[in-house]
Amino acid sequence: DQQVKQNSPSLSVQEGRISILNCDYTNSMFDYFLWYKKYPAEGPTFLISISSIKDKNEDGRFTVFLNKSAKHLSLHIVPSQPGDSAVYFCAASDRGQFYFGTGTSLTVIP
Amino acid sequence: DAGVTQSPTHLIKTRGQHVTLRCSPISGHKSVSWYQQVLGQGPQFIFQYYEKEERGRGNFPDRFSARQFPNYSSELNVNALLLGDSALYLCASNLRQGSGVSGANVLTFGAGSRLTVL
Repeated sequence: DQQVKQNSPSLSVQEGRISILNCDYTNSMFDYFLWYKKYPAEGPTFLISISSIKDKNEDGRFTVFLNKSAKHLSLHIVPSQPGDSAVYFCAASDRGQFYFGTGTSLTVIP
Repeated sequence: DAGVTQSPTHLIKTRGQHVTLRCSPISGHKSVSWYQQVLGQGPQFIFQYYEKEERGRGNFPDRFSARQFPNYSSELNVNALLLGDSALYLCASNLRQGSGVSGANVLTFGAGSRLTVL
């Protein structure tokens, strides 16, 4: 039972353009949503979060949008940089327990 | 300030053996969570411990067990290893960011222990 889904296993974007990573969820009880970035041979690193009572949170080049009615969230990276190439995981928390999507591998082409 | 540290980084076992993985959370953090990440999948929740007590358990068989020590470090034990237990095992400290209702619980992960079962 996959409560958090990332339907795009991979994404390629030109340097300087916008990267949009998408995530869908099924549990309406989730209170926070988070994005993690993972490089090979490292653990996932926290990137940005959003409360379920918000619809947008911005941190520098990274913006997360939440559409509760559609149970959908997205991560926008503008402008994309080669160093952003990594696997991105969407996660959601329900009373402190976290559920992760399967990840989207982002490649930013110089 | 050391982050979350895990050991060993890599290990190889054979089917039926037992394995113990170790984790030290961020200094002062009392909560530790364990996750299993199989290749091509996202991390799956195994256990959460807080102040040495189990606070949550994911959908894993009884072959998986864990404990937390007085210094808040933790061990994950897996008995009777199966080929399907091959995975990256991640340990995380749970830190609350921000304050009040706007504070999010954020997991800070270690680099993981890569287990290969042959």
